[in-house]
Amino acid sequence: EAQVTQNPRYLITVTGKKLTVTCSQNMNHEYMSWYRQDPGLGLRQIYYSMNVEVTDKGDVPEGYKVSRKEKRNFPLILESPSPNQTSLYFCASSPRQGGTDTQYFGPGTRLTVL
Amino acid sequence: GNSVTQMEGPVTLSEEAFLTINCTYTATGYPSLFWYVQYPGEGLQLLLKATKADDKGSNKGFEATYRKETTSFHLEKGSVQVSDSAVYFCALTESNTGNQFYFGTGTSLTVIP
Repeated sequence: EAQVTQNPRYLITVTGKKLTVTCSQNMNHEYMSWYRQDPGLGLRQIYYSMNVEVTDKGDVPEGYKVSRKEKRNFPLILESPSPNQTSLYFCASSPRQGGTDTQYFGPGTRLTVL
Repeated sequence: GNSVTQMEGPVTLSEEAFLTINCTYTATGYPSLFWYVQYPGEGLQLLLKATKADDKGSNKGFEATYRKETTSFHLEKGSVQVSDSAVYFCALTESNTGNQFYFGTGTSLTVIP
C-alpha cells in the first residue's frame, strides 16, 4: 500500500531532551516536507526537501533540523525541545518538486514537551 | 509575500444545505491553488486543485474556481452530507518552483442530520 508513515504517533517528553520523529514514504517521491499544525494557525511548513541531500527552510524552521540521506526517509530532529514546540506534526511527500503535484500526508505525530 | 486567508469557522450546516468556504490569497507570482480536507484523527488529503486562472477544480461534488481578478478560490458544494464533516484547508504554492507551501488556518465544518 502506498503510504507515508510517521513514528512515533504520540510522544511526551521533557524540555531539552533530544528527539527524532521519523518519516518514510514508499512511493519513490522526490519531494518531502514537514509541517506543524496549531489551533488558529493552520499548517505551517517547517522544512522541505526537493531530493536526496537537498533541503530548505520553510516558514518556521527555528529549533528543528532535518536530513535527507535516502529518498524514502526524511526525519525531523528536535535537538533541544521546548514547550512551544508542543504541536501536531505532519510529514508529506509528492512525486516531483514543482507546483502542482498532490501531497500525500502521513497520519501525524502529536508531540507534547513538558 | 505569499499567504492564504480563510473564513473563520466553525461552520455548522444541516444536511443538503449549500456550502461556501471563502479563501483569498496573496502571491508574488503565479500560484497553484489547492483545497485539502482533514477528517477527524487523520492526515490531510487533497480534495481539488487548480493551476491557472479561470481553472475549476472539482471532486466529490465540491468545486472551486481560480479567480485571479479577485485573488480567490472559494470552495462550494451544492448539497452537503454528514460525511463531509471535516476541517478544510486552502493552500497555495508558486507554480514555477512549487517547493514552499502556504496553508490557511482551516475551516471546521459540521453537518447535522
